[in-house]
Amino acid sequence: DSGVTQTPKHLITATGQRVTLRCSPRSGDLSVYWYQQSLDQGLQFLIQYYNGEERAKGNILERFSAQQFPDLHSELNLSSLELGDSALYFCASSVESGLVLNEQFFGPGTRLTVL
Amino acid sequence: AQTVTQSQPEMSVQEAETVTLSCTYDTSENNYYLFWYKQPPSRQMILVIRQEAYKQQNATENRFSVNFQKAAKSFSLKISDSQLGDTAMYFCAFMKLPGNQFYFGTGTSLTVIP
Repeated sequence: DSGVTQTPKHLITATGQRVTLRCSPRSGDLSVYWYQQSLDQGLQFLIQYYNGEERAKGNILERFSAQQFPDLHSELNLSSLELGDSALYFCASSVESGLVLNEQFFGPGTRLTVL
Repeated sequence: AQTVTQSQPEMSVQEAETVTLSCTYDTSENNYYLFWYKQPPSRQMILVIRQEAYKQQNATENRFSVNFQKAAKSFSLKISDSQLGDTAMYFCAFMKLPGNQFYFGTGTSLTVIP
C-alpha cells in the first residue's frame, strides 16, 4: 500500500458524459501527478499540481481539467467523454515540487470505461 | 522532448534463469534519472530500481541490476534467478529535473515459466 488513495476504482459511463476522479496523496506530500494509461501503453503524464498550484502540463486534452484543493486532495475532471478516453488513470504523489528528485508513490488507479 | 523506447513487447524466461529487458531513451538533458517499474496484474506501479545519470556505477537491488550506457542512451534491466512473482509488465521511465514528471516506455510483458 503506497498511501495514495484513488476513488472510484472502476467507472463505467457513456460517451459525451463527464466524470470526476479523485486522488488523496500520501500524508505530507504536496505534489500530485496524474497519468493516463491506455490499453497496452505506458503511462502518459497529464498534469502536476504542487500545493494547490498547477506546476506542469503534459499531454492533457482541453476536455480534461484538474485541481488541487487546500486539503491537498486532487480531482481530475474528464468531460465530453469519447471511447478513446477509456483507460487506467493513475495519481501519484511526492513530497516536493520537482526541483530535486523525490520518489513518486502511485495510487491503485481508476479504470474508466466509456461505452 | 524525451522519448523512451522498449523494443521487446513480450518476453519469457524459465524460472531461476536470467533475463534482460532493453530500454533506450533520447534526451538532450544532462541531469536526469532512469527507472524501471513493475506492474503486476493488480496494476499497481512498483518501483524496481533507479539510476542517477551522473553516477557511472550501475544500480543493483537484490536480483535486479541495470546496465546503464550513457553515451549509447541505453538502460537495460537484468533479472537474475527469475521467480514466478516476477511475471508482470515492466516499464522503463525517464525523469528530468526540474520537473519530476515521468516519461514512460510502452512496456515489456515478462512471463516467468515454471
